Amino acid sequence: AQSVTQLGSHVSVSEGALVLLRCNYSSSVPPYLFWYVQYPNQGLQLLLKYTSAATLVKGINGFEAEFKKSETSFHLTKPSAHMRDAAEYFCAVSGQGGKLIFGQGTELSVKP
Amino acid sequence: DARVTQTPRHKVTEMGQEVTMRCQPILGHNTVFWYRQTMMQGLELLAYFRNRAPLDDSGMPKDRFSAEMPDATLATLKIQPSEPRDSAVYFCASGLVVYEQFFGPGTRLTVL
Repeated sequence: AQSVTQLGSHVSVSEGALVLLRCNYSSSVPPYLFWYVQYPNQGLQLLLKYTSAATLVKGINGFEAEFKKSETSFHLTKPSAHMRDAAEYFCAVSGQGGKLIFGQGTELSVKP
Repeated sequence: DARVTQTPRHKVTEMGQEVTMRCQPILGHNTVFWYRQTMMQGLELLAYFRNRAPLDDSGMPKDRFSAEMPDATLATLKIQPSEPRDSAVYFCASGLVVYEQFFGPGTRLTVL
């Protein structure tokens, strides 16, 4: 069965600092992997996805993630945090039948 | 700008009342998902449909919840009777390409 673990339910960074949100997955088949962002009082929005092409995936708003099979990881990074990046971030792995299996989410706070 | 729409955005009701939430998927999308989000449980998949046929509703309490797609432009989620523990944000998402999902803004349900 597929599963996702997001390390750290809350991450706080200073504006301009590196953002690193950690995601590890478990999958018995080659996975598709996703990062979604949820701003307050909104639905989830796709940031980026890995679908077995390039292992370094670039997404919207300057975010990127690297698929590392040996580490079963798909960590999300951004070189320089902005205040507007404050939100909740969800990692997801493909499940059976087209479903997505979501992690518990990581809340990102950005301090001025 | 194609979007998933959900109505109502907010609903406050009393225990025992019927609640109906509606979702209009993006035109042309053939897969519709219903999720529930709470602080305690995070994001849970309740049910999903492909080409209007239910594929999986194992996440849904069968005794009080029901989900349908009367046509390709409308998905409904009903709770009857509602209970305070049903208070949550309910999201609809739609997709066409396998695994990629576009989320609506959600219905915030409060059952008193």
